[in-house]
Amino acid sequence: EAGVAQSPRYKIIEKRQSVAFWCNPISGHATLYWYQQILGQGPKLLIQFQNNGVVDDSQLPKDRFSAERLKGVDSTLKIQPAKLEDSAVYLCASSPRRLGTGGKNTEAFFGQGTRLTVV
Amino acid sequence: QQPVQSPQAVILREGEDAVINCSSSKALYSVHWYRQKHGEAPVFLMILLKGGEQKGHEKISASFNEKKQQSSLYLTASQLSYSGTYFCGTEPNAGGTSYGKLTFGQGTILTVHP
Repeated sequence: EAGVAQSPRYKIIEKRQSVAFWCNPISGHATLYWYQQILGQGPKLLIQFQNNGVVDDSQLPKDRFSAERLKGVDSTLKIQPAKLEDSAVYLCASSPRRLGTGGKNTEAFFGQGTRLTVV
Repeated sequence: QQPVQSPQAVILREGEDAVINCSSSKALYSVHWYRQKHGEAPVFLMILLKGGEQKGHEKISASFNEKKQQSSLYLTASQLSYSGTYFCGTEPNAGGTSYGKLTFGQGTILTVHP
């Protein structure tokens, strides 16, 4: 079974520039997550999709971050304009079932991530 | 609110045991455990629901005490491959159901030496 694919793997941009990350989840996984992981910290949820609908985006800085999941499959996360504090690894994960449905098949499968450096 | 993990780091020799704790200030529906090796993606280990103990991976097991809002991960007879950062993720309990959101702790760095 193919895993979660993310691109690019690395990105260096200057502050105030824009950047976009792409994610292709595991086939058939309805739930998709974007996490931000700052060095030395645990992943922080930015947004959660169920199919192509947003379930939770309470921690997404909406003045600069946006995300979409077209046709309930691939997803893109965009930052515009970037700030220095956005430097982090952006992880996409997918799951067969959403959390809160009893535990079985709610585990997240993570992609390799995109390491963003804002200079 | 982010769960608190302890210890922050632990160093072992092969064959030794370790316990990693995860504590929440909120009532919990479930606890998830993941391991992340340096430069790699987090990998799922196991889920614990309502006091159940589930052995999901190698010689690694875990417990979940609902009343204390705590979970512990037990690594027995550690191997070199166990090295990495362990994260617990907590799913808050909303009156018997879930808010449907996972919050990760800050991680525990485990290093196993030969």
